[in-house]
Amino acid sequence: NAGVTQTPKFRVLKTGQSMTLLCAQDMNHEYMYWYRQDPGMGLRLIHYSVGEGTTAKGEVPDGYNVSRLKKQNFLLGLESAAPSQTSVYFCASSPDRVSYEQYFGPGTRLTVT
Amino acid sequence: DQQVKQNSPSLSVQEGRISILNCDYTNSMFDYFLWYKKYPAEGPTFLISISSIKDKNEDGRFTVFLNKSAKHLSLHIVPSQPGDSAVYFCAAENTDKLIFGTGTRLQVFP
Repeated sequence: NAGVTQTPKFRVLKTGQSMTLLCAQDMNHEYMYWYRQDPGMGLRLIHYSVGEGTTAKGEVPDGYNVSRLKKQNFLLGLESAAPSQTSVYFCASSPDRVSYEQYFGPGTRLTVT
Repeated sequence: DQQVKQNSPSLSVQEGRISILNCDYTNSMFDYFLWYKKYPAEGPTFLISISSIKDKNEDGRFTVFLNKSAKHLSLHIVPSQPGDSAVYFCAAENTDKLIFGTGTRLQVFP
């Protein structure tokens, strides 16, 4: 049981390039989340999903898109990377609406130059 | 506007003593709160939670206190151990989402 995994662990992009971050969970959780963590800012929610085929905007959605085609996967896309998107990205999942505890992946460190 | 606030960016405590981490929130509709612990280069892990119908919840060395009238919660760690050195985030549940504070870095020294 791997829990929540994230791919890749590290990535350096040039401004304007695109990339997709992959999050996978093997716990059959309904809810999945993407956060970014910046110094002094805590964890801020980018997008989330309450089930396969659904997505919703979080606190800081601009510049990002997401897809949840399969229940176990949640993809975060950057269409045209900007230096302001340099951050550590965390994916999380939770079983359902009743259980508020979220399980986090190990993170992806992204640098945009 | 920050709805969940951790006003102390860092805290240093001697091993064996009590660590008290504080968290304030602004929205009186929040009714479930969680604490997460984060080591460097790892994802946050769940530590302890509390519902607004309680004012205290204990789990081993960790106790969370909730003061609804003051919109304040605190995490007590007794006794503190070097392995507790990490960043601690408090979070409030809000309609399928968690709103996190900015974190407090705890350092436990021998």
